[in-house]
Amino acid sequence: DIQMTQSPSSVSASVGDRVTITCRASQGFTAWLAWYQQKPGKAPKLLIYSTSNLQSGVPSRFSGRVSATDFTLTISGLQPEDFATYYCQHSSGFPSFTFGPGTRVDIK
Amino acid sequence: EVQLVQSGAEVKKPGESLKISCKGSGYSFSDYWIAWVRQMPGKGLEWMGIIFPGDSDTRYSPSFEGQVTISVDKSTDTVYLHWSSLRASDTALYYCARRFSRYYFDSWGQGTPVTVSS
Repeated sequence: DIQMTQSPSSVSASVGDRVTITCRASQGFTAWLAWYQQKPGKAPKLLIYSTSNLQSGVPSRFSGRVSATDFTLTISGLQPEDFATYYCQHSSGFPSFTFGPGTRVDIK
Repeated sequence: EVQLVQSGAEVKKPGESLKISCKGSGYSFSDYWIAWVRQMPGKGLEWMGIIFPGDSDTRYSPSFEGQVTISVDKSTDTVYLHWSSLRASDTALYYCARRFSRYYFDSWGQGTPVTVSS
């Protein structure tokens, strides 16, 4: 099975900062990667799917890309409502869904 | 508006059975796979299994196969997650989620906390 790692595990940032989170697949290449945001006490929310497609209603300051096996989520201009935990999610085919361990973004 | 509404918090003893629910609305319920996802206290997300309400086709993560049962009642647009004998290690928050674009989940329930303690 492909395992997903995320780095950093946590990051402290200020409003207006640019934050980049990386998700790496343990092997091979996959285009089937999504990013979710989860705030305390709330359900996850889909932000980006298929590596770089912005889900409807998600602000354009969120973006995703891939380089080799490294997938990145970038938040350009962090807003107060963006402080949360972010998970990547991979699929090696249906039915297989694997989440990364998460990256917590908190206030510096 | 797509909505998945889950049943309320549960407190159970080890060995007891439990069935929690997830009711869909705002879309054609039979046409979308519904998954269950576990989140243990302070931990990340784990996919447990998924069901297609249209024909009850069900698939399980190898980690959860035999540990839980997923079912559906099309007459009430409700998906269920069932344990026949709970363990303390089943203590977690359980989410249902609708599959989107084959590999992702676009709508989530609010979560059902399950506490198993003697």
